Amino acid sequence: GAGVSQSPSNKVTEKGKDVELRCDPISGHTALYWYRQSLGQGLEFLIYFQGNSAPDKSGLPSDRFSAERTGGSVSTLTIQRTQQEDSAVYLCASSPPGGLGTGELFFGEGSRLTVL
Amino acid sequence: KQEVTQIPAALSVPEGENLVLNCSFTDSAIYNLQWFRQDPGKGLTSLLLIQSSQREQTSGRLNASLDKSSGRSTLYIAASQPGDSATYLCAVQTGGFKTIFGAGTRLFVKA
Repeated sequence: GAGVSQSPSNKVTEKGKDVELRCDPISGHTALYWYRQSLGQGLEFLIYFQGNSAPDKSGLPSDRFSAERTGGSVSTLTIQRTQQEDSAVYLCASSPPGGLGTGELFFGEGSRLTVL
Repeated sequence: KQEVTQIPAALSVPEGENLVLNCSFTDSAIYNLQWFRQDPGKGLTSLLLIQSSQREQTSGRLNASLDKSSGRSTLYIAASQPGDSATYLCAVQTGGFKTIFGAGTRLFVKA
């Protein structure tokens, strides 16, 4: 597609349920990022994928959060046993290949998660 | 640990005014700095990217400067318009390709 695509755009779930959020990056982009944006807050880094390298998971807030990227393209962010504090907008970004410093980030519209 | 600060947190100006948004970062070892715009309920739109070896970038009415040694960047918006109303975020790319964001400046341009 022309841009980064995220689904679902909105998800309402009950506390304790598992959720999966999907990100389809721009074709040819090798880098993929997940961020979380809580109401009125800045963006919190969650995880970063670059090609076939091991992902940088240093931003994942707990072991209930995990992400995978299949075939170097689509990524799924999974939140297990959701809590009310997980309510936020989850943003995905991708970046084209290139040397350090050249990677412009392109964002999707986000997935708004509400945990009741 | 890299920290990014944006001042002011909010700004209201009359249409036509030139304005400056500020971004500062604590660690000068960055690979690039990027300015974004976010409209309510939307994702982020990239405005300008300045690589670490560059001093400024321009796009239309926007000009961004970078002073790596002092840990500062400014976004200059000329002849502001109501359509410029949005939240503006700056972000720096650090080691390991991690990109760290500031909390943003909420801009309101009054017609």
